[in-house]
Amino acid sequence: GQQLNQSPQSMFIQEGEDVSMNCTSSSIFNTWLWYKQDPGEGPVLLIALYKAGELTSNGRLTAQFGITRKDSFLNISASIPSDVGIYFCAGPKDDKIIFGKGTRLHILP
Amino acid sequence: SAVISQKPSRDICQRGTSLTIQCQVDSQVTMMFWYRQQPGQSLTLIATANQGSEATYESGFVIDKFPISRPNLTFSTLTVSNMSPEDSSIYLCSVEKGMNEQFFGPGTRLTVL
Repeated sequence: GQQLNQSPQSMFIQEGEDVSMNCTSSSIFNTWLWYKQDPGEGPVLLIALYKAGELTSNGRLTAQFGITRKDSFLNISASIPSDVGIYFCAGPKDDKIIFGKGTRLHILP
Repeated sequence: SAVISQKPSRDICQRGTSLTIQCQVDSQVTMMFWYRQQPGQSLTLIATANQGSEATYESGFVIDKFPISRPNLTFSTLTVSNMSPEDSSIYLCSVEKGMNEQFFGPGTRLTVL
């Protein structure tokens, strides 16, 4: 079936560092969604992208819809402890939303 | 966006029993969904809860195991029937608003002993 491949699977960074993660697919998507899931919570929608090449920011978060429509990137600038969690990319396929396996972000003390 | 609540937030159940999870939304929505998230995994769609008709199940999920009700546009229930330890997961309801944007409830953490 359709798959979204997220990279990296996990990241260990120092507080204050910038973070970059991506999501790729073998097929074209018309929408890219980025979610964050805190431990014990449901995923929260961070950014939605609707157009190839679109660059959208939400505070320290910036996401881009790849020109090929087969990938998307999420960047977090100047990370803080509350950025810890799992980041999922997602997109609509066949009348449903499919999710990547997530990137786990850890911040070292 | 949407404000979604789920009950219970967590439960520990015995093998062979059933648990019904409730999902309440603060506004009327057409599309409601139920997902399962096994430990350390991504989200897997169980079914789409249709108001006024039977739920639409994804491959690998059946109505006898996961009966769903959708009596109105703000409420749905998912029952996990005849539970086994393999059913231990987080169960999430979500709603669609806007263009393909889904919003999730806080989840129900189920442990089956």
